[in-house]
Amino acid sequence: SQELEQSPQSLIVQEGKNLTINCTSSKTLYGLYWYKQKYGEGLIFLMMLQKGGEEKSHEKITAKLDEKKQQSSLHITASQPSHAGIYLCGADTGGGADGLTFGKGTHLIIQP
Amino acid sequence: DGGITQSPKYLFRKEGQNVTLSCEQNLNHDAMYWYRQDPGQGLRLIYYSQIVNDFQKGDIAEGYSVSREKKESFPLTVTSAQKNPTAFYLCASTRAPNEKLFFGSGTQLSVL
Repeated sequence: SQELEQSPQSLIVQEGKNLTINCTSSKTLYGLYWYKQKYGEGLIFLMMLQKGGEEKSHEKITAKLDEKKQQSSLHITASQPSHAGIYLCGADTGGGADGLTFGKGTHLIIQP
Repeated sequence: DGGITQSPKYLFRKEGQNVTLSCEQNLNHDAMYWYRQDPGQGLRLIYYSQIVNDFQKGDIAEGYSVSREKKESFPLTVTSAQKNPTAFYLCASTRAPNEKLFFGSGTQLSVL
């Protein structure tokens, strides 16, 4: 089965600073999805990447997929308290019929 | 507004008891999924259904059962055979493979 490794496991960042979260796969990624979760709530979709070298941005969040399609990064610029939460990457395992395989998540804390 | 509704938000199970978690969607999605989330474990797939009256086991199906009698509904029963049921349960749906998953707000199940 496909495994996704997320790093770091947790991250404490001072408000206004930049940060990066990584997601690495043991196999080629057919599709890579980034979600955000507030504690005790459902997952909110952020972005989807499918093509090698693809990069997408929304507000202050940028996600990239490397050329080999085995690693993705999520970069937040000028972090704000609203960015706090758990970030999860999910991967399409090849057909998509059985849903996504998820990493264990990165807990992000923003210090004022 | 279209979306996925999970109920109840919190549920308590006594020893030897079966409990059922509700998941309803009005997005007209064919595929629905149940995931279990434990601290530090990420999301693990329990069951999924691609179409009415059909469903498949995921990675951790033992001790769980599902039904898919209607397109809108995909209830999950946690049976007494599940010895460690305490977890956060998430229901999701998608229009088609290779498209993003939409998630409900989750149900926290605890054992009394």
